Amino acid sequence: NAGVMQNPRHLVRRRGQEARLRCSPMKGHSHVYWYRQLPEEGLKFMVYLQKENIIDESGMPKERFSAEFPKEGPSILRIQQVVRGDSAAYFCASSPPKTSGGPRNEQFFGPGTRLTVL
Amino acid sequence: KQEVTQIPAALSVPEGENLVLNCSFTDSAIYNLQWFRQDPGKGLTSLLLIQSSQREQTSGRLNASLDKSSGRSTLYIAASQPGDSATYLCAVLETSGSRLTFGEGTQLTVNP
Repeated sequence: NAGVMQNPRHLVRRRGQEARLRCSPMKGHSHVYWYRQLPEEGLKFMVYLQKENIIDESGMPKERFSAEFPKEGPSILRIQQVVRGDSAAYFCASSPPKTSGGPRNEQFFGPGTRLTVL
Repeated sequence: KQEVTQIPAALSVPEGENLVLNCSFTDSAIYNLQWFRQDPGKGLTSLLLIQSSQREQTSGRLNASLDKSSGRSTLYIAASQPGDSATYLCAVLETSGSRLTFGEGTQLTVNP
């Protein structure tokens, strides 16, 4: 059972370009979370999604950032018109449905995508 | 607003020493608490998860305790090894939602 997959692992963009970060949750997981780790800072929550629904986006910047988790395919975090301050590690986590066994709400993290904006 | 603090920010110990990492949180209305390990440039590895109704969890040389009423958790590492060198993160899951709130981490170095 593969873990949470993220791609690309490293992404370089110039200011003004778009960045698309992908996350495939663990098999059987229907909840996806995105977190951002700015240089020398802790991880901060961005958004929580279930299939086709955004549940909590209170940590997302109001402009340029969007996230989706379609019925088919990976979750996408999209950053439009990137700026140097967007350079960070972006981590995706997933968790199983609440009705499944095991520790409830345990989040499993992917390896992250390191975005560098030139 | 939940705030999570980890002390110390950095710790350097000789191999074989037992050590304790501390985590405190301001809002006791939590669902669970997780301890993670993060290696440089890598993702997060979950070490232990303690449900709010539990007092402690153990895995190998690791033991985590939780005192929800006082807003504290400790991670105890026995007989430390150089391979334990990493940043250790504490995170709480609030009952009000599904977001994890992280501390800034403790950077541990175990010297051979």
